[in-house]
Formats: sequence, structure tokens, C-alpha cells
Amino acid sequence: LAKTTQPISMDSYEGQEVNITCSHNNIATNDYITWYQQFPSQGPRFIIQGYKTKVTNEVASLFIPADRKSSTLSLPRVSLSDTAVYYCLVGALTGANNLFFGTGTRLTVIP
Amino acid sequence: GAVVSQHPSWVICKSGTSVKIECRSLDFQATTMFWYRQFPKQSLMLMATSNEGSKATYEQGVEKDKFLINHASLTLSTLTVTSAHPEDSSFYICSAKSSMEPQHFGDGTRLSIL
Repeated sequence: LAKTTQPISMDSYEGQEVNITCSHNNIATNDYITWYQQFPSQGPRFIIQGYKTKVTNEVASLFIPADRKSSTLSLPRVSLSDTAVYYCLVGALTGANNLFFGTGTRLTVIP
Repeated sequence: GAVVSQHPSWVICKSGTSVKIECRSLDFQATTMFWYRQFPKQSLMLMATSNEGSKATYEQGVEKDKFLINHASLTLSTLTVTSAHPEDSSFYICSAKSSMEPQHFGDGTRLSIL
């Protein structure tokens, strides 16, 4: 299983774009990259998933370079409600994968 | 879509009691369900993986006789903490997954053993 490494914490001001990078040097060919957001005392919430290049949805973008050894979650114009822990997971979509959480990145949005 | 319901959201009970937590996928059939526990300020730790109709697979260090998992249907899995003690107090989170889809998580159960 591909291990992931993320910054432990980040601070950002409201209205700024936030980019959180995850390293996954031993990602396998069949692995996808999935990002989750977790608020205190809640389960993680799915944000976005991708395999290569760029994926965008209504809340975030995911940038994956050609070598796929890292990925960057981009949150446009963050607000105070985006203060949370963000996790990236790497694994295949079939079978029992994508299961092991790293330390996550604690994002604090400052007024 | 992809809603996972977990019940109860919190429970307080005396030491020695057994506690059952339910996890349901409301709008999809989950081929696999997972159980995690999370201590304060820490990441989620996978406890076990369950497939409908078969025995759960437990992670190393997780006592299968302590944490009983039943996965009777494609939409329901239960975790029973048997003879719970204060050290079992934690935040328990389930997730459900169908093939080729990401995991979707319940909102967790806060378990406090007095």
C-alpha cells in the first residue's frame, strides 16, 4: 500500500486559495488518489478523487503530475468553515484498498 | 447519493457492558464495509474489513473476540464492543464501499465507558 506524506498543519486567511500537497512516491499503476475532509467529531467527507492530470468539482481541484508521485488539493477562496483536517489516501478502487489514513493536514482558516 | 448512516451517534455505559453500533448504506449496496477507531487529535486507525456474508478480516492488534463484526446484508454491518472497559472509549467510524467507488463514511459513534 502506498504510504502518503502531508504537512501536519497549514494556516490561511479567508478568501485565499489553499494548496495542500501529498507525497506518494510508491504509488502503483492501479492506484487512485482520494482526498477527504474531516471536522471534529464527524466522519471523513469525500472531497475529490483522481488518477492523473487534473480533476475539478464544485468544491476543489486535484492536480496530479505525470509521474503521479504527488498530488495537490486546491481549495479556492477558503472560508472559516473550511477549517478541518484533510487526508489523502492512495489505493486501487477494487478490493480492500484506500484504507489507511496518514497523519492528515490540519488547515486553520484565519479571519 | 452515497449516504452512510451510523447509529448511535454517542453512547455512555458502564464498564462490562456490551455495546452495538450499526452502520447502514442508505442509497447504495456496499460490497465492503470498514470499521475504524480514532483517538483525540489522531488519525483514523483501521480495525477491520467486512464483506457481506463472510467473516471480517481484522487488523493486527485488534481482538476479534472483543470487537465482533457482523455483515448480514449489503447495506448493514454491526460492530459489537463486548465487555467494554474504559480503555475502549473512543470514536468509532464506519465506512462503506461499492466496487470502483471511493469509501463513504458514517458520522461516527462516540463511545464512553465509565
